[in-house]
Order: sequence, then structure tokens, then C-alpha cells
Amino acid sequence: EADIYQTPRYLVIGTGKKITLECSQTMGHDKMYWYQQDPGMELHLIHYSYGVNSTEKGDLSSESTVSRIRTEHFPLTLESARPSHTSQYLCASSESGAQETQYFGPGTRLLVL
Amino acid sequence: TQLLEQSPQFLSIQEGENLTVYCNSSSVFSSLQWYRQEPGEGPVLLVTVVTGGEVKKLKRLTFQFGDARKDSSLHITAAQPGDTGLYLCAGPTGRRALTFGSGTRLQVQP
Repeated sequence: EADIYQTPRYLVIGTGKKITLECSQTMGHDKMYWYQQDPGMELHLIHYSYGVNSTEKGDLSSESTVSRIRTEHFPLTLESARPSHTSQYLCASSESGAQETQYFGPGTRLLVL
Repeated sequence: TQLLEQSPQFLSIQEGENLTVYCNSSSVFSSLQWYRQEPGEGPVLLVTVVTGGEVKKLKRLTFQFGDARKDSSLHITAAQPGDTGLYLCAGPTGRRALTFGSGTRLQVQP
């Protein structure tokens, strides 16, 4: 069973608010990822990190930012939320190797009114 | 253009039926993974296939990796409502570790 946690699980906020989605893993994985996913649809990589102080943008353009100050923690921040940000956000981590398995958190369902 | 194309996009069947879903690419992969995602949860790894032509079985699920390592299939025998979910294939691509396919949404009716 994977030890990767996301909070909050559900969030409803108004337009213009600043929010931070938390993600933590206790497996000591170097690599961490953020995906955006509309219900039942494909995953879109928005940010990833290969270690402390390493962050890069993914395939999908996103107005969010991330930080990686500690190995276990990879928060995602939206400075000013908009209705177009309504989606599910999934965090994942993996250990470097030939066949990397990604372990996913349960996700945060975000609704911006 | 999706690097990994999955088909069908959506499948609704009755309990007890068999089904096959596909993951295709024009690129060669060193390995392919299959994940299942249940509603409200994150994806969970089912299997990794590594060798061209490899077949792996997980209870009623049979996974096959194409000889040329460009495609994979998942066959479910006697589907059950518990098999309902989004099935995603994924393969390693360069530095970003994994690229995910578009997914097949499976619904098994009791």
C-alpha cells in the first residue's frame, strides 16, 4: 500500500482566492508529480520534480506553481483561482529505476465558483 | 497527437462477459504499465510488461505486450462489477518517466 497523502480531498472556493494543495509521501521517493484530470478522462502532467529544489513544468500549461524544499513534500499553489481550474488534481511519486511505478495519492477535487 | 492511444474509449458490458482493451503506439517502449483507477481515487498499478510477446496473468486479467513492443492488450474474463473503472496504460518516455494513454472507461453492469 502506497504512503502518499493529499489534502484537502475536496475544496470549494470562490474566484480569486489563493489555494495550496498539499502532497506528502513517506516512501523517500526522489520523483514527484502533479497531474490534472477531469472526471474519467486522461491524466495531464502539469508539474514534476526529480529531487529537492528541482521543479519543471509538464505537458499541460498551468497557472499553478510548485515547490520542493523537502523530499517528502510537494505542494501546488494557485495564486488566484478561476472556474477554469475546476478539476481533480492527483499527486504521485516514484523511485528512480528501470521500470518506475508511480504511486498516486487519492486526489483533490477542486471546484472554483 | 497522443503517444499512447487506447481503445475503446468507453465500454459498457454485462457481468460475466469477456472484453479486451487495447493500447497502441507508433513508438517502441522498453516496458508498458497498466493502471486501474476507481472513481474518486488515484490510479493503482496492475502490471508491468517488459519483454516483447510477454503474457502476464492476474487472476481474471491477462496482459500481453506486443512482439514489437509498440502495443499492449488487457483481456478480462468473466467481468465483474468490481472491475469497473478507468484503465490506463503508461510507458516510459525520456526524462519524464511515464506518459499515460487516454484511458478506457469500463462499466460492468450487474
